[in-house]
Amino acid sequence: EAQVTQNPRYLITVTGKKLTVTCSQNMNHEYMSWYRQDPGLGLRQIYYSMNVEVTDKGDVPEGYKVSRKEKRNFPLILESPSPNQTSLYFCASSLSPGISYEQYFGPGTRLTVT
Amino acid sequence: KQEVTQIPAALSVPEGENLVLNCSFTDSAIYNLQWFRQDPGKGLTSLLLIQSSQREQTSGRLNASLDKSSGRSTLYIAASQPGDSATYLCAGWNYGGATNKLIFGTGTLLAVQP
Repeated sequence: EAQVTQNPRYLITVTGKKLTVTCSQNMNHEYMSWYRQDPGLGLRQIYYSMNVEVTDKGDVPEGYKVSRKEKRNFPLILESPSPNQTSLYFCASSLSPGISYEQYFGPGTRLTVT
Repeated sequence: KQEVTQIPAALSVPEGENLVLNCSFTDSAIYNLQWFRQDPGKGLTSLLLIQSSQREQTSGRLNASLDKSSGRSTLYIAASQPGDSATYLCAGWNYGGATNKLIFGTGTLLAVQP
């Protein structure tokens, strides 16, 4: 089944403890991205990747890191999480960032930082 | 700066009614437009993708239109059912130059009463 998977689905952690949220897609998509969703603010892009080893900042990259060492995986890293990073996170992918391609979203990761 | 607005923010209708959700964007440099559905606490499910060269797309009881000249898209839902209750999001691709991303609207929360 074609899908985007994220792990973990739920995470409660403490300020400053490094964490990684994994994202994997099995559709051979070139483009992957991370979003966070907050009440009243909607979905905002954190980082995106056009292809392996190519990543760039979205609208709200501060406090996050990403890497794209292989095509299928695009982990989101929080080196020193803070309470303002409590949010619902989504990974997405598409065949290309071009004009014709549909975006597929993962199920989301709900992160709470205390 | 590209902004995407959805009206109304919330809508409650009786089962069986036809309804229209609206999406407007400030910059005509939208290359395609995608409608999503989000159930509470869940990920985003793609409903329809309208490419820049198209004016509308249909899937079952859903019909989406795109008018780039006026900066508007509508999602028409025929014969609504309680199972249609969800938040509906529109998103446009802003592509090229330094940015490649989906810009999301604020969402319409739909409740279909049995």
